[in-house]
Amino acid sequence: AQSVTQPDIHITVSEGASLELRCNYSYGATPYLFWYVQSPGQGLQLLLKYFSGDTLVQGIKGFEAEFKRSQSSFNLRKPSVHWSDAAEYFCAVGAGGTGFQKLVFGTGTRLLVSP
Amino acid sequence: DGGITQSPKYLFRKEGQNVTLSCEQNLNHDAMYWYRQDPGQGLRLIYYSQIVNDFQKGDIAEGYSVSREKKESFPLTVTSAQKNPTAFYLCASSIDSPHRGSQPQHFGDGTRLSIL
Repeated sequence: AQSVTQPDIHITVSEGASLELRCNYSYGATPYLFWYVQSPGQGLQLLLKYFSGDTLVQGIKGFEAEFKRSQSSFNLRKPSVHWSDAAEYFCAVGAGGTGFQKLVFGTGTRLLVSP
Repeated sequence: DGGITQSPKYLFRKEGQNVTLSCEQNLNHDAMYWYRQDPGQGLRLIYYSQIVNDFQKGDIAEGYSVSREKKESFPLTVTSAQKNPTAFYLCASSIDSPHRGSQPQHFGDGTRLSIL
């Protein structure tokens, strides 16, 4: 079964600075990978997904993520953080192949943006 | 616009009482899910359903029940057997393609359940 680890519980970044949120997964084959964002009291919104192909994936709101098979990682990046990016971010991993597959979510990283 | 509607936004439960959380989607998705979210624990899967009239237990199904009588609806009942029900509950849906493995899930805005 797949699993995912987000090693950072909280991260604080200054507005305008770059951001990288870490995600490590465990899965025997090529995984399906996702990043979601959650504002307080809201549901989760999909930022981007990786299924196959180009390992650098572009998402909404200026985010991107890079799939590195050798490191079992799928880190989320943004070159310049805005105050509105303050939220909780979840990485999720799913199995590929045929048939119905569930997603497994990490425990999340809370991003704080300082002025 | 298509989406997932969860109601109510806030719900209070008395001791020994069952409560039902509503989830409706108009995305024409086959699969629907219920998650429980507690601080620091991420999302934990309670139940999921791939098709009408069929559902499976997730990782923490004890004390919960579901039904899937319509494609659009997947209500969750928190029974009195769930001794620690205070949490944020999220409903999600996705397409269910037999050839494409895991699919992105679309989420509602959640229901916060508290104990009186």
